Amino acid sequence: DIMMTQSPDSLAVSLGERATINCKSSQTVSRSSNNKNYLAWYQQKAGQPPKLLIYWAATRESGVPDRFSGSGSGTDFTLTISSLQAEDVAVYYCQQFYSTPWTFGQGTKVEIK
Amino acid sequence: QLQLQESGPGLVKPSGTLSLTCSVSGGSVSDGSDFWGWIRQPPGKGLEWISSIHYSGSIYYNPSLRGRVITALDTSKHQFFLNLTSVTDADTAVYYCARQLFTSGWTAWFQHWGQGTQVAVSS
Repeated sequence: DIMMTQSPDSLAVSLGERATINCKSSQTVSRSSNNKNYLAWYQQKAGQPPKLLIYWAATRESGVPDRFSGSGSGTDFTLTISSLQAEDVAVYYCQQFYSTPWTFGQGTKVEIK
Repeated sequence: QLQLQESGPGLVKPSGTLSLTCSVSGGSVSDGSDFWGWIRQPPGKGLEWISSIHYSGSIYYNPSLRGRVITALDTSKHQFFLNLTSVTDADTAVYYCARQLFTSGWTAWFQHWGQGTQVAVSS
């Protein structure tokens, strides 16, 4: 199984400031044959199901604000919220779809400082 | 707009069988190449993928649950199902159903999710 480890477990950021979440996989989730990174990011607000934010590590899902961006390759990936808004308070998860079993990170809780 | 809705008992006795149904509206479980998956979330914890099924009969299971899980799909009812046998306290969780995209030859991310259903294992 590919283990996904996120850091930090939680972070508090002031409104309008940048939030950065890291996700590290136990083995590569990128394929050089097609230059694709098999990683997605989700946002889960309290009492709600997860919502897809980003796939292929850096492609925003339709309707996702452009303050959310993803980057990385190989085993190291980052989700950045460029200017934190109050509605961004949530837990964020990364997920690899490189191989089964598909696995998620443990989550990173983002709060307002 | 695609919608998914989980249903089933909220309480299951230890050693019993957890049975859930996901009803799909605004789309069909036999549309295209996408898979239909189950994911769970124990209280206060993260997400665990359980299984994914395609209407062609292709099924993936999480090996950690293999032997206890059966997933099926009924195209006529636009539903898919989860059966988890021999449940214990560790199976207490919110269970989500979701549409999993099949793209670029790959079974990929979970694009649409149901609201989830809470299942407790208790005597």
